Amino acid sequence: DAGVIQSPRHEVTEMGQEVTLRCKPISGHNSLFWYRQTMMRGLELLIYFNNNVPIDDSGMPEDRFSAKMPNASFSTLKIQPSEPRDSAVYFCASSSTGQAINIQYFGAGTRLSVL
Amino acid sequence: AQKVTQAQTEISVVEKEDVTLDCVYETRDTTYYLFWYKQPPSGELVFLIRRNSFDEQNEISGRYSWNFQKSTSSFNFTITASQVVDSAVYFCALGLYNTDKLIFGTGTRLQVFP
Repeated sequence: DAGVIQSPRHEVTEMGQEVTLRCKPISGHNSLFWYRQTMMRGLELLIYFNNNVPIDDSGMPEDRFSAKMPNASFSTLKIQPSEPRDSAVYFCASSSTGQAINIQYFGAGTRLSVL
Repeated sequence: AQKVTQAQTEISVVEKEDVTLDCVYETRDTTYYLFWYKQPPSGELVFLIRRNSFDEQNEISGRYSWNFQKSTSSFNFTITASQVVDSAVYFCALGLYNTDKLIFGTGTRLQVFP
């Protein structure tokens, strides 16, 4: 079985540009999570979806960030306009939730550098 | 409030030493789950273990073992006879029953030297 697939693995862009990160969760999983990891703030949950519906976006830093999940096999995290402080590793994770909290499986991450 | 504390920022050991990574959690919930993840230098987060709050039995998997003590709200992770490949950042996380979210600690960087 394929794991969580993220693209691109690396993204370098200039301040002000739009950035779109992509995620394909594990087939059959119904929850999807977007995290950001920086040295200063550690691992932060940005938003998560359950059955394609955003459940908690309280971690989204500001209006420049938006996330969508148009179907069960695809999600995007968009930053527009990007700023240097958005430089981080962005992880996507998925899980199959039911009665218990299930294991989140992480993608390899997208390393974003905003110049 | 829910919180996970990993007080050890960085640990260095020499190969074959045993090492314990500490994890202390805070929650008022009676049903919760505890996790450990490994983040090797390649960057991905790898799931290691999940325990629920009703199961305090220690667990052993090869050189890895976990000690869960509700009395001290701790879920410590021990690597026996450490190897260079164990070098990574290890995260402890808390999951609550009524939400899918995980609350991560700040991680402990383990360096195993040959």
